[in-house]
Amino acid sequence: AQSVTQLDSQVPVFEEAPVELRCNYSSSVSVYLFWYVQYPNQGLQLLLKYLSGSTLVKGINGFEAEFNKSQTSFHLRKPSVHISDTAEYFCAVKVLGDNDMRFGAGTRLTVKP
Amino acid sequence: GAGVSQSPSNKVTEKGKDVELRCDPISGHTALYWYRQSLGQGLEFLIYFQGNSAPDKSGLPSDRFSAERTGGSVSTLTIQRTQQEDSAVYLCASSFNSDQPQHFGDGTRLSIL
Repeated sequence: AQSVTQLDSQVPVFEEAPVELRCNYSSSVSVYLFWYVQYPNQGLQLLLKYLSGSTLVKGINGFEAEFNKSQTSFHLRKPSVHISDTAEYFCAVKVLGDNDMRFGAGTRLTVKP
Repeated sequence: GAGVSQSPSNKVTEKGKDVELRCDPISGHTALYWYRQSLGQGLEFLIYFQGNSAPDKSGLPSDRFSAERTGGSVSTLTIQRTQQEDSAVYLCASSFNSDQPQHFGDGTRLSIL
């Protein structure tokens, strides 16, 4: 069965600095990969997705992620963060044909002025 | 257009009572999911509905949990004889089909006293 590991539970960073949130997954079959963001007291909002094609995926709010099949990783990056990026970020994997999506435990990104 | 709507947004109840949580998915979305998010945790898959097919109940933690989806639209998640460990945020999501990104509601925060 597939699983998702988000390597950092908390990432503090200063405003305008670059950030990388790490995600590794385990699956022996083809998967779809997603990053979601959750602001306080809200549901999850899709940031970006990898279904097929180019391994570099661009999403909303200036975020991007790169699918690395050999390292089974899908790290999320942003070159310059804003205070408003402070939120919880979840990596998720879905095996083609499966019903459920497996989520990582989340990474809390805190952007400081 | 309207997103996924969940009600109530907050629910406080006494241990042993039954609770019913409601989810109204995006119109036209055939897939509907329920997740549980405990404090500081990722999302735990509970149940999945796809069209008129039999639901995938593999994530339900006990027989106190059940869910229905009437007419392929609105879904209710019922928890009978609630326990304190049931306290969590219950999130509903819908998607056009099972391989498309999920759109989440804002969740129901359930507190068992």
